[in-house]
Amino acid sequence: EVQLVESGGAWVQPGGSLRLSCAASGFTFSDYYLDWVRQAPGKGLEWVGQSRNQANSYTTLHAASVRGRFTISRDVSKNSLFLEMRSLKPEDTAVYYCVREQVDSPLRYFESWGQGTLVTVSS
Amino acid sequence: SYDLTQPPSVSVSPGQTATITCSGVKLGDKYACWFQQKPGHSPVLVIYQDDKRPSDIPERFSGSNSGNTATLTLGGTQAMDEADYFCQAWDSGTAVFGGGTKLTVL
Repeated sequence: EVQLVESGGAWVQPGGSLRLSCAASGFTFSDYYLDWVRQAPGKGLEWVGQSRNQANSYTTLHAASVRGRFTISRDVSKNSLFLEMRSLKPEDTAVYYCVREQVDSPLRYFESWGQGTLVTVSS
Repeated sequence: SYDLTQPPSVSVSPGQTATITCSGVKLGDKYACWFQQKPGHSPVLVIYQDDKRPSDIPERFSGSNSGNTATLTLGGTQAMDEADYFCQAWDSGTAVFGGGTKLTVL
């Protein structure tokens, strides 16, 4: 069974930093693209970025809204995905989801979601 | 940037058919997906590749995508289908979501 378990969400002041983790299990970690998607309270879904699979050298891509402030990485030895966030703003307040992506180019879709972790940016 | 537009809300009576639309420029040239999200829960994939259902999704969920509009159809809507629904597509390597539609079954 595919499991994605996020952790690390917390309250942080504007300008602060935070690191989110996603522990993956139930599948071959290196074979899959993994993404972060966030959802502000009462709002819609927003893609944050992705870490591609080993076949694509684990390259990362970040949404324009977070580029330069957020960094996605993974530790293959720990089957974990990370989201390093800095210079946080109140508008970054959201539940952050770790998502496994199925890719069979050009087809791709988000097939499994974690339970999410809440980040609150407020003074 | 690419935008996907959904109606904020749709209402349907139990047992009737609900239709939720998602509009975007030449959306029919892309693959559309749909997610269901119930309060306090993570999104769940209900349709991918325009009209494919994951194995654990009931047959009453169906999808189509042509021109500028993707459509999610729920035939024989049940109370348990009341939720928020989000469409999604990829544009230039970026995932784009619609704003979401709240489906009310009354």
